[in-house]
Amino acid sequence: EIVLTQSPATLSLSPGERATLSCRASQSVSSYLAWYQQKPGQAPRLLIYDASNRATGIPARFSGSGSGTDFTLTISSLEPEDFAVYYCQQRSNWPVTFGPGTKVDIK
Amino acid sequence: QITLKESGPTLVKPTQTLTLTCTFSGFSLSTSGVGVGWIRQPPGKALEWLALIYWDDDKRYSPSLKSRLTITKDTSKNQVVLTMTNMDPVDTATYYCAHGRGAFDIWGQGTMVTVSS
Repeated sequence: EIVLTQSPATLSLSPGERATLSCRASQSVSSYLAWYQQKPGQAPRLLIYDASNRATGIPARFSGSGSGTDFTLTISSLEPEDFAVYYCQQRSNWPVTFGPGTKVDIK
Repeated sequence: QITLKESGPTLVKPTQTLTLTCTFSGFSLSTSGVGVGWIRQPPGKALEWLALIYWDDDKRYSPSLKSRLTITKDTSKNQVVLTMTNMDPVDTATYYCAHGRGAFDIWGQGTMVTVSS
């Protein structure tokens, strides 16, 4: 099973700042990595698939990069609605696995 | 517009079998390339993938839960059913179904299931 590690666990930032979230895989997942955003009481929302492709309707301030074992989700300028938990997920190998999440909260 | 909605009991007793139904619209599970998955989330914890079924009836399961899970589809009803046997309090979670083959682009609202005697 591929283990995903996310860092940091919590990221405290102010609106307008840049957020950089990391996801590391225990073995290569090629580019088969997705990022999700989850707000309290809501289902996750797909932001990025296949490492760098924005899902439908996702604002351009969200971008993904990386391949192999190291991936990054960048939010270029935080909006108030971006404070949430972010999960990475790989679909390269069965079973599909999720990371433990990074919480982006307001500083 | 793709939508999914989970339904099932909110409370089950330990050792009982849980049956959850995902009713969807906006796509067909008989269309090549389509899949529906189940993912759960215990309160305050991370997401855990459980199972996925493809348009061709190929099925995948979480290895740690495989012996307890069964996923089926009813294409005519636009439904996917997940059964989990021998429920335990640690299975208390919100259960989601989602559209996708591995990356899940549309999710249901989720249904909270509590396991308690």
